[in-house]
Amino acid sequence: QSALTQPPSASGSPGQSVTISCTGTNSDVGTYDYVSWYQQHPGKAPKLMIYEVNKRPSGVPDRFSGSKSGNTASLTVSGLQAEDEADYYCSSYAGYTNLGFGGGTKLTVL
Amino acid sequence: QVRLQESGPGLVKPSETLSLTCAVSGYAISSGYYWGWIRQPPGKGLEWIGSIFHSGATFYNPSLKSRVTISLDTSQNQFSLRVTSVTAADAAVYYCARRYGDHHDFWGQGTLVTVSS
Repeated sequence: QSALTQPPSASGSPGQSVTISCTGTNSDVGTYDYVSWYQQHPGKAPKLMIYEVNKRPSGVPDRFSGSKSGNTASLTVSGLQAEDEADYYCSSYAGYTNLGFGGGTKLTVL
Repeated sequence: QVRLQESGPGLVKPSETLSLTCAVSGYAISSGYYWGWIRQPPGKGLEWIGSIFHSGATFYNPSLKSRVTISLDTSQNQFSLRVTSVTAADAAVYYCARRYGDHHDFWGQGTLVTVSS
């Protein structure tokens, strides 16, 4: 059982926006502004897309944005492109250097 | 550019010990950061296994803590993972990665470990 809850799937048409949620608890997402998001294409290693809730590493398009409200964090992908089709995982710090991951969301570009 | 590469046996027998090594290039692991392991069972999500600080301090997922050891070999610029008493539930792709605070910014390509007699 994953520490964080994500919807198993999400979809959108090219050019549209889609938001993926990540629900935790007062022990992780709700307390710490340390939520990150990873993109994983089939057979590949995860790639960091967002860290510390809403910061983008160098090279990640600004179409990807993150936010948080209470115990739920969100990843929004704007202007969907075919290459955005992938699995997305959230992660949150949970105190004492512990980390939890969500179960993953499969994003389909229709 | 930091690069990480996992290596180790792809097949481990039940009840035996899984051992993997992560070779790091482009950065001296003794200089800073946490270094860690994450695994992904086939068709499933990611699970944080544990991290080791450049000083050698270790931090493990509470659900695996009793069976896991992570260690550093600064002379070879690599770090290792040992998981004892493996079962079918330990079969997964194992990734090593550099951890900066709450997130992992550089990842290895992953190595598949099968548990079977």
